[in-house]
Amino acid sequence: QKEVEQDPGPLSVPEGAIVSLNCTYSNSAFQYFMWYRQYSRKGPELLMYTYSSGNKEDGRFTAQVDKSSKYISLFIRDSQPSDSATYLCAMSVTGFQKLVFGTGTRLLVSP
Amino acid sequence: DVKVTQSSRYLVKRTGEKVFLECVQDMDHENMFWYRQDPGLGLRLIYFSYDVKMKEKGDIPEGYSVSREKKERFSLILESASTNQTSMYLCASTDRGPGYTFGSGTRLTVV
Repeated sequence: QKEVEQDPGPLSVPEGAIVSLNCTYSNSAFQYFMWYRQYSRKGPELLMYTYSSGNKEDGRFTAQVDKSSKYISLFIRDSQPSDSATYLCAMSVTGFQKLVFGTGTRLLVSP
Repeated sequence: DVKVTQSSRYLVKRTGEKVFLECVQDMDHENMFWYRQDPGLGLRLIYFSYDVKMKEKGDIPEGYSVSREKKERFSLILESASTNQTSMYLCASTDRGPGYTFGSGTRLTVV
């Protein structure tokens, strides 16, 4: 079993939809949880990070962490075609070393 | 903004060649990482370095070595390239904060 599981998709939604992306994990020692966005032929870029449990909001994006269920989510409101990308979750025990990544979910937002 | 620059976007090498992938970051980050990214497998850590001349093996170090002679530069070396090393290679760096900054990647094809 992988340490971090993520549905590869693709997830196809119409413009304006609310998108929910999720990851589950097995290592209860993880404390830092991140979401990266990766456009085609580019490196991943950090979208958001949270420490421990709870919610964090940044514009149209909301990250949720439920440590009791070992489950994290990224919600995108009012999705746009420019949101079409692969979204990777990542987590670590410490803040800066040895991130463990999910395999990524490919999101397609159609106009 | 931190910039992580990978010297080549695309490389084609022959089996058995020694291959050098170069990565330079411009924000004095202590920690640097090399990942490879393959469909269905996600990002896998090859090596990382937390200081000049220091290195640690990641999850898949076999067939690779690294060099960090200067703080800003982290090189990945394929001692004798093989076809199973055809992949996207991503370099990343971070200071002591959460999250990495990635380069745009080098797509290596070994023929």
